[in-house]
Amino acid sequence: GQQVQQSPASLVLQEGENAELQCNFSSTATQLQWFYQSPGGSLVSLLSNPSGTKHTGRLTSTTVTKERRSSLHISSSQTTDSGTYLCAIDRAGGYKVVFGSGTRLLVSP
Amino acid sequence: EAAVTQSPRNKVTVTGGNVTLSCRQTNSHNYMYWYRQDTGHGLRLIHYSYGAGNLQIGDVPDGYKATRTTQEDFFLLLELASPSQTSLYFCASSEGLGGPYEQYFGPGTRLTVL
Repeated sequence: GQQVQQSPASLVLQEGENAELQCNFSSTATQLQWFYQSPGGSLVSLLSNPSGTKHTGRLTSTTVTKERRSSLHISSSQTTDSGTYLCAIDRAGGYKVVFGSGTRLLVSP
Repeated sequence: EAAVTQSPRNKVTVTGGNVTLSCRQTNSHNYMYWYRQDTGHGLRLIHYSYGAGNLQIGDVPDGYKATRTTQEDFFLLLELASPSQTSLYFCASSEGLGGPYEQYFGPGTRLTVL
């Protein structure tokens, strides 16, 4: 089965609303990264958060390792936040990274 | 911040053609990776390497060869390209393997096999 599941698959917001993205994983992970993929395809690492809570700008990630889940909260969304958000973990043993299928976010003005 | 570049950015070839995708990283990272991204599958690991001359098989290696010529350069080779290899290809690098090391991605190469 799929090792990394993200929800929702897609999300539509009005500018200024908050977004909550979920990532659940089925195997032990020692690393978890959130990525942003632009509509043009480029991939950018947003933050690395294998456990606990981490903030950067308008982004907050909370990972509960024992429950194998992570969330990404985007506050005060902007139209430029539109794109796909990917969650990725390394498998136990750490030699491969597994990606979820992503959450596609559309922020309208 | 790590710099990973890829070339070409776009490539169109025909079935049976030979294609080489290039990746260079300039932050002296030990590990380099090749992924493909397809709708419905997310990113999948093709090959990776932990140093010059080393190659490790990923999850979807069939039809692909790779070579790490230097610490900076990692190439992906498609010797008999097929339409099923039409995809968006990403190269990435990391200082180490697994936690706590982050992967840094290149801009991607869009390959179309007709």
